[in-house]
Amino acid sequence: DSGVTQTPKHLITATGQRVTLRCSPRSGDLSVYWYQQSLDQGLQFLIQYYNGEERAKGNILERFSAQQFPDLHSELNLSSLELGDSALYFCASSGRLAGNEQFFGPGTRLTVL
Amino acid sequence: AQSVTQLGSHVSVSEGALVLLRCNYSSSVPPYLFWYVQYPNQGLQLLLKYTTGATLVKGINGFEAEFKKSETSFHLTKPSAHMSDAAEYFCAVSLYNTDKLIFGTGTRLQVFP
Repeated sequence: DSGVTQTPKHLITATGQRVTLRCSPRSGDLSVYWYQQSLDQGLQFLIQYYNGEERAKGNILERFSAQQFPDLHSELNLSSLELGDSALYFCASSGRLAGNEQFFGPGTRLTVL
Repeated sequence: AQSVTQLGSHVSVSEGALVLLRCNYSSSVPPYLFWYVQYPNQGLQLLLKYTTGATLVKGINGFEAEFKKSETSFHLTKPSAHMSDAAEYFCAVSLYNTDKLIFGTGTRLQVFP
């Protein structure tokens, strides 16, 4: 158990819908990262928040957004869903910047029908 | 730009045999290097990491990796494979001034009795 929790574990929805994925980092970790894992794209970095502020952006679509709340939990919002958004979404957390280990949650498997 | 290449999407070994999973990186400056393991239906778990210092890094479960700057490589080895090592292994890099992980495409390790 990494100490990072993600809910829900599975999500099945239809095209055009909007969903919210939730992540609680390890106690004391200030950084939260979101990654997408799909068969065709592999593991890709989406976005990072540090203590409530956006710190880095990767290959995140404009239809996707995220935020980190004062209690440090984070939410990833996916809207206008397409079939190609079906993937495993991981959240990770770390305690300080550069070079520190990222602890990964179990992931949320999103299926868009 | 940083990139990671993992040679061999599938590697099969017999139980007790040497495990060698290859990883080469491309970076204009020495990066931080990581190996993660993913068991079926689970998140990623850190095996080992290289940031600075000794180039031979020992990790969990008997794995180790050597950072070779001249070869831009960070290959993962284990002297004797165990059935429980069957999983997918990901090599990743990050730079000193950014936290995001750039992952390779992964290598699926099969261990035969």
